[in-house]
Amino acid sequence: DARVTQTPRHKVTEMGQEVTMRCQPILGHNTVFWYRQTMMQGLELLAYFRNRAPLDDSGMPKDRFSAEMPDATLATLKIQPSEPRDSAVYFCASGPRPSGRATDTQYFGPGTRLTVL
Amino acid sequence: GENVEQHPSTLSVQEGDSAVIKCTYSDSASNYFPWYKQELGKRPQLIIDIRSNVGEKKDQRIAVTLNKTAKHFSLHITETQPEDSAVYFCAATGGTSYGKLTFGQGTILTVHP
Repeated sequence: DARVTQTPRHKVTEMGQEVTMRCQPILGHNTVFWYRQTMMQGLELLAYFRNRAPLDDSGMPKDRFSAEMPDATLATLKIQPSEPRDSAVYFCASGPRPSGRATDTQYFGPGTRLTVL
Repeated sequence: GENVEQHPSTLSVQEGDSAVIKCTYSDSASNYFPWYKQELGKRPQLIIDIRSNVGEKKDQRIAVTLNKTAKHFSLHITETQPEDSAVYFCAATGGTSYGKLTFGQGTILTVHP
C-alpha cells in the first residue's frame, strides 16, 4: 500500500531557527502539494509542483518560506527564520498525472507537527 | 479563484441516525469533488469522490450527490457509528484551478453511542 511519507513527524524549535520538512511522494506521482493546517485557518495550500516545477506558491509567505523539489522522490519545505505563528501541522500530498480533463485525487502524508517557541 | 463553503461546522447525531454535510462552490468549471475524513491527529483520508459527469455516487454507508446547476454537493452518511466521528472536508477542483484543491472549512461530526 503506497503512501506519502514525511519527516520529521514532530519538530520543536526556537524562534529564528531554520526548519526543513521533507516529503517523499508516492512513486510515480508527478504532482506534489504542501498544505498548512491550523485550527483557525483550516487547510491552506502553500505551494504545489508538477513534474518538479513549481506551479503555484501564492499561498506561501515568500520572505521566509521556500519550497523545492530537487528530484522526483523528494520535496522540501523550508522556513527561515521560523516564528511562533508558523506553528501548525504541515501536510504534503501527492497526486497522479491528471488524465484528460479529469483530475485525480490527492493522497496526504502523515504531516509534520511544528511548534515554534 | 474557487471558493468552497461548507456547512454545518459541527454536527452531532445519535448512533444509527443519518448525517448530511453540504458544500457549495463558486467556479462553474470545477469538475472534481472529493471528500476527506480526518481523525484526530491523523492525515486527511479520501473517503469518496465524484466527478461532474455523474449526479450521485454510493459506497456502502456513504454517498455523495452533486447538483451542477446549483453548484452544490453533499455527503450523506447513513447508519452512523461512533467510529464515523471525525472532521470531514469537502473540496473542489478543475476549470481554472486545475489540479489545485480548494477545501471547505470542515465539519466536526460527533456520533453519540
